[in-house]
Amino acid sequence: GDSVTQMEGPVTLSEEAFLTINCTYTATGYPSLFWYVQYPGEGLQLLLKATKADDKGSNKGFEATYRKETTSFHLEKGSVQVSDSAVYFCALIGGQGGKLIFGQGTELSVKP
Amino acid sequence: NAGVTQTPKFRILKIGQSMTLQCAQDMNHNYMYWYRQDPGMGLKLIYYSVGAGITDKGEVPNGYNVSRSTTEDFPLRLELAAPSQTSVYFCASSLVLGRWNTEAFFGQGTRLTVV
Repeated sequence: GDSVTQMEGPVTLSEEAFLTINCTYTATGYPSLFWYVQYPGEGLQLLLKATKADDKGSNKGFEATYRKETTSFHLEKGSVQVSDSAVYFCALIGGQGGKLIFGQGTELSVKP
Repeated sequence: NAGVTQTPKFRILKIGQSMTLQCAQDMNHNYMYWYRQDPGMGLKLIYYSVGAGITDKGEVPNGYNVSRSTTEDFPLRLELAAPSQTSVYFCASSLVLGRWNTEAFFGQGTRLTVV
């Protein structure tokens, strides 16, 4: 069945460091790919999305490119801030009947 | 436009009690989902629905039941609550039309404690 695999956390970075969180997927058909963010004590918010191969989603300085050849959707940010500390979830819809499937989440902690 | 609304926000149950978590969406989405999130963990799919009258099990359906009598509502029923059901529950919805779909929209969650 469809699945999403993220790099394990926690990831600890200093402010202004470069961030990469790896995400790979397995899916039949043509899934849409998403990154969600969860700040402490809150629900999930959509961070960015991409609906077809080679699309680049971007928001708040974060970017991810839908790579069908490597089945990946890695999240990147050039310069992280303390306020980016949160848990990041990679997810997909589609493929197997429209079910929304999440990776296990990656906790990011940014130190001043 | 309220999006996805979950009630209640917090609840404490005694072992063996039952309750229904409510979820409603006003976006005319066909797909709806229930997840649970244990402390420090990811989201586990409990049940989902692809439309009114159609539901299916996710990864962790035991101890829960759902129904989908209307497009808008997708209640989650807990029968005989157990401490292992202490968690935060999230409802979500999305519109899926063949190969095209929106992102999933989430409710604010229900924090349930079973004592």
